[in-house]
Amino acid sequence: EAGVAQSPRYKIIEKRQSVAFWCNPISGHATLYWYQQILGQGPKLLIQFQNNGVVDDSQLPKDRFSAERLKGVDSTLKIQPAKLEDSAVYLCASSLLRNTRQAPGDGYTFGSGTRLTVV
Amino acid sequence: DAKTTQPTSMDCAEGRAANLPCNHSTISGNEYVYWYRQIHSQGPQYIIHGLKNNETNEMASLIITEDRKSSTLILPHATLRDTAVYYCIVRPGSSNTGKLIFGQGTTLQVKP
Repeated sequence: EAGVAQSPRYKIIEKRQSVAFWCNPISGHATLYWYQQILGQGPKLLIQFQNNGVVDDSQLPKDRFSAERLKGVDSTLKIQPAKLEDSAVYLCASSLLRNTRQAPGDGYTFGSGTRLTVV
Repeated sequence: DAKTTQPTSMDCAEGRAANLPCNHSTISGNEYVYWYRQIHSQGPQYIIHGLKNNETNEMASLIITEDRKSSTLILPHATLRDTAVYYCIVRPGSSNTGKLIFGQGTTLQVKP
């Protein structure tokens, strides 16, 4: 099956500029996640969607970051205005929502990410 | 915060078994142990998971101690392509959120 698609692969912008990232999850995956991975650290969840609704955005810096998932499929993550500390890899992932009575498998697939450099 | 602790880095000779430890002393009864790895310039990839029994698949084996406070991921015959950062994560089995909380992981360097 096709994986999680992300674009662009790399992006370099100046601080205070805006940038947008795009993600196409695996077909049929209801849940979509955006993670931020700063160099040398593990990924950190920014926002989670269930279909087109937000489940968790507690770690999203809402003064500058926004995300949407129109029609419950593709998603975009935007940063406006960007700061130097936003330099990171932005990973998109998707998963099947597991029934609570089922043993959890994985079904969790990450894209290769967008590497953002803010100068 | 991550509920697991792992060594920062490990080396392994090619062809030998790589044993990656993980401590999760505060694990709850309904939490599973998951392992992921992240090869350079790629997103994390699922390896294996378990609750309390040892598990094996085509990629690795997972050994969980009887008290469930620690586990070991075993790559039986490490290759150069196994060089990656390995993350140990505990996750509720019945959670609907699906969120993964990553620590810093263990950087495994497989050497010729």
